[in-house]
Amino acid sequence: AQKVTQAQTEISVVEKEDVTLDCVYETRDTTYYLFWYKQPPSGELVFLIRRNSFDEQNEISGRYSWNFQKSTSSFNFTITASQVVDSAVYFCALSAQTGANNLFFGTGTRLTVIP
Amino acid sequence: ETGVTQTPRHLVMGMTNKKSLKCEQHLGHNAMYWYKQSAKKPLELMFVYNFKEQTENNSVPSRFSPECPNSSHLFLHLHTLQPEDSALYLCASSQGDGLAGGETQYFGPGTRLLVL
Repeated sequence: AQKVTQAQTEISVVEKEDVTLDCVYETRDTTYYLFWYKQPPSGELVFLIRRNSFDEQNEISGRYSWNFQKSTSSFNFTITASQVVDSAVYFCALSAQTGANNLFFGTGTRLTVIP
Repeated sequence: ETGVTQTPRHLVMGMTNKKSLKCEQHLGHNAMYWYKQSAKKPLELMFVYNFKEQTENNSVPSRFSPECPNSSHLFLHLHTLQPEDSALYLCASSQGDGLAGGETQYFGPGTRLLVL
């Protein structure tokens, strides 16, 4: 069974602060994929990143960075110098190699960036 | 960018009504998905279609009836729904066949459904 836990329900930061969103996952599969999506108020889930279980290199894309640690089953997401436009709900998701392409989502973290 | 579109964006229906949700993807993808997003619950996969064939039905009640006439269009027909079916219904597509994990899914904006 696959499970994703996002323990932070809501986070508020002041603009330009850094913020880290936590994601912990559970799976028995040795090959799996982790994703982050952003859901702004418009409702659409915007794809941010996909990582496979064999690639533990951290990734940076502009103000976004991701820290994947298999030892702690975590895939945390950091936004540096947050902006008001970053306000959204962020979802972490897991997909195992076997079975249909089912994305197992966490319950999301609502980020509010205060100007 | 409007790779995946959904209509209508908002829908209010009574429990005896019949309505349909429409999804269209303009990405040339082969697999399409319906998800349900309820308040305070994780997104739940409902159906997966691959090249028009349904490959996954996640124990969804029969009052939800999907239809995939081609690889670009996906419908969700609704009838005799319950108030607890009120939710955001999201459509997604992926390039592969949807039969194995790991494919990135691209989502539409969703249809917010209210059942009275």
